[in-house]
Amino acid sequence: QKEVEQNSGPLSVPEGAIASLNCTYSDRGSQSFFWYRQYSGKSPELIMFIYSNGDKEDGRFTAQLNKASQYVSLLIRDSQPSDSATYLCAVNPHYGGSQGNLIFGKGTKLSVKP
Amino acid sequence: GAVVSQHPSWVICKSGTSVKIECRSLDFQATTMFWYRQFPKQSLMLMATSNEGSKATYEQGVEKDKFLINHASLTLSTLTVTSAHPEDSSFYICSASGTLSGADTQYFGPGTRLTVL
Repeated sequence: QKEVEQNSGPLSVPEGAIASLNCTYSDRGSQSFFWYRQYSGKSPELIMFIYSNGDKEDGRFTAQLNKASQYVSLLIRDSQPSDSATYLCAVNPHYGGSQGNLIFGKGTKLSVKP
Repeated sequence: GAVVSQHPSWVICKSGTSVKIECRSLDFQATTMFWYRQFPKQSLMLMATSNEGSKATYEQGVEKDKFLINHASLTLSTLTVTSAHPEDSSFYICSASGTLSGADTQYFGPGTRLTVL
């Protein structure tokens, strides 16, 4: 069973701080990794993805990947109350299947306090 | 790019009736579409995966005769909830596969909130 694990939270950080969201995955052969944001009552939206070990930055967001440790994280710098949402980690398993086949974690709820 | 629409955005129906939800990829073609269900304060639950022109693959525990999926074209998939009951009330979300971001991933529609009275 391919699994993606996330701490359900809630993770509470003060406004302006760095929020760190973590995710581990079981399929060592996984190749691509995604972060989605889901506001309450809304559908998920893609924030960013990462393929290679190391860091990938996009504005206030940085994704970090460590394939040896099977670990991917999302850092949000200068957190704002509008970042309060549930963040979903998703992994494209190496066994393929249908195009776009992803394994989702259950999500971490982030709360940014003003 | 990568816009997925769903219609209707919300629907209220009487118990025993059927409800059809449409999912369209507006600016790209999607070989595969996915249907999810989400109950309040719970995580996404994949219901089924559908590939254009073939039968959908349902997840364990999802009744294929109750949740009918049709994926007739590369831009349209429909989910029909047949003989709906109050326990079917939920947030139904579709997604479409695409590589517009440079990665093989899923783009989600805005969801359809179903309430069965």
